[in-house]
Amino acid sequence: EVQLAQSGAEVKKAGESLKISCKGSGYNFTNYWLGWVRQKPGKGLEWMGIMYPADSDARYSPSFQGQVTISTDNSISTAYLQWNSLQASDTATYYCARLREMATIGFGYWGQGTLVTVSS
Amino acid sequence: QSALTQPPSASGSPGQSVTISCTGTSSDIGSYNYVSWYQQRPGKVPNLLIYDVIKRPSGVPDRFSGSKSGNTASLTVAGLHLEDEADYYCSSYAGSDKGEIFGGGTKLTVL
Repeated sequence: EVQLAQSGAEVKKAGESLKISCKGSGYNFTNYWLGWVRQKPGKGLEWMGIMYPADSDARYSPSFQGQVTISTDNSISTAYLQWNSLQASDTATYYCARLREMATIGFGYWGQGTLVTVSS
Repeated sequence: QSALTQPPSASGSPGQSVTISCTGTSSDIGSYNYVSWYQQRPGKVPNLLIYDVIKRPSGVPDRFSGSKSGNTASLTVAGLHLEDEADYYCSSYAGSDKGEIFGGGTKLTVL
């Protein structure tokens, strides 16, 4: 069974750095694109970016390019989403999600979400 | 980067059918047969309903169907059930430089 287990909720202050994680299991981690989706409180879904772990090919939405960094540690089947300097506007739930097999888009598997709260 | 355009709300009675539209441009929906639809119940994780415009993952009831014409995609929910009450999001591939873009979401109320 494919599972994506995300790290727990975070409470940070503006200007601080943060790295949240997403551990994949039940499948060959390196062979599937894994992405991140933001959902601000009471708002819609926003596609942030995606990475192919086997070769670290990363693609970012223009809205998030330069604002976050996606990475993976294939030895522990874990993906990361990182900020160098958080802003209050980064307060949101962040989901990691895996594409279906052979898919161009369409996240068929989702983590449980990580709530990030940033105070100013 | 503009999101795809969805109506903010839709409604129907149990047993009825409802169609939710998703309008993009010739650079996204109009260019690719890569449209997905997600259902998100309150407080829950999004769930993939439709991919590649018309395909359903295993386990998704055939009451859910997708279509596309030009720059507009549609999700039809036939025979509404109370548990269909949720937010529905469309998404489309927008090229390698933009990736996947989402619609703003439609809140479906089953009256």
